[in-house]
Amino acid sequence: LAKTTQPISMDSYEGQEVNITCSHNNIATNDYITWYQQFPSQGPRFIIQGYKTKVTNEVASLFIPADRKSSTLSLPRVSLSDTAVYYCLVGDGASGGSYIPTFGRGTSLIVHP
Amino acid sequence: GAVVSQHPSRVICKSGTSVKIECRSLDFQATTMFWYRQFPKQSLMLMATSNEGSKATYEQGVEKDKFLINHASLTLSTLTVTSAHPEDSSFYICSARGTGRGYTFGSGTRLTVV
Repeated sequence: LAKTTQPISMDSYEGQEVNITCSHNNIATNDYITWYQQFPSQGPRFIIQGYKTKVTNEVASLFIPADRKSSTLSLPRVSLSDTAVYYCLVGDGASGGSYIPTFGRGTSLIVHP
Repeated sequence: GAVVSQHPSRVICKSGTSVKIECRSLDFQATTMFWYRQFPKQSLMLMATSNEGSKATYEQGVEKDKFLINHASLTLSTLTVTSAHPEDSSFYICSARGTGRGYTFGSGTRLTVV
């Protein structure tokens, strides 16, 4: 199971772009990268998933370099409501797969007014 | 989209009693479900994996006789905390994986044992 490393915490201000990088040096060929968001006293919520290059949806972008040993979650123009913990998970989970979602420490993002 | 319903959202029980938490997949069949525990300011810790129709697989250090998991149908898994004690107070979260789908998490259950 690929281990992930993220910054423990980050601070930003409303309207800024936030980039959170996750390292996953031993990612396997079949592994996808998935990011989740968790608010206090709630379950994690899916944000975005990708395999390589760039993926964009209505809430975020995910940048994955060619070697896939890291990935960067980009949140455009954050607001106070983006204050949460963000988790990067790596595994064969794109369409079911057989891996078990295992969480690292995550990154606590605080957005200031 | 895939929805997982978890109940109750919070429960307070007396020490020594048992509490059951339900996790339902509302619009898809979940062949596998996962149960996590999360203490304040910490990450989610996997407790066990339950597969429909078979025994759950528990992570090292998790007492299977204390945390009973039943996955009797493709849409329901239950976690029963037996003889609960204050140290069992935590936030419990379930996750479901359906055939051909990714992972969806329940909203969590805040258990307080007094």
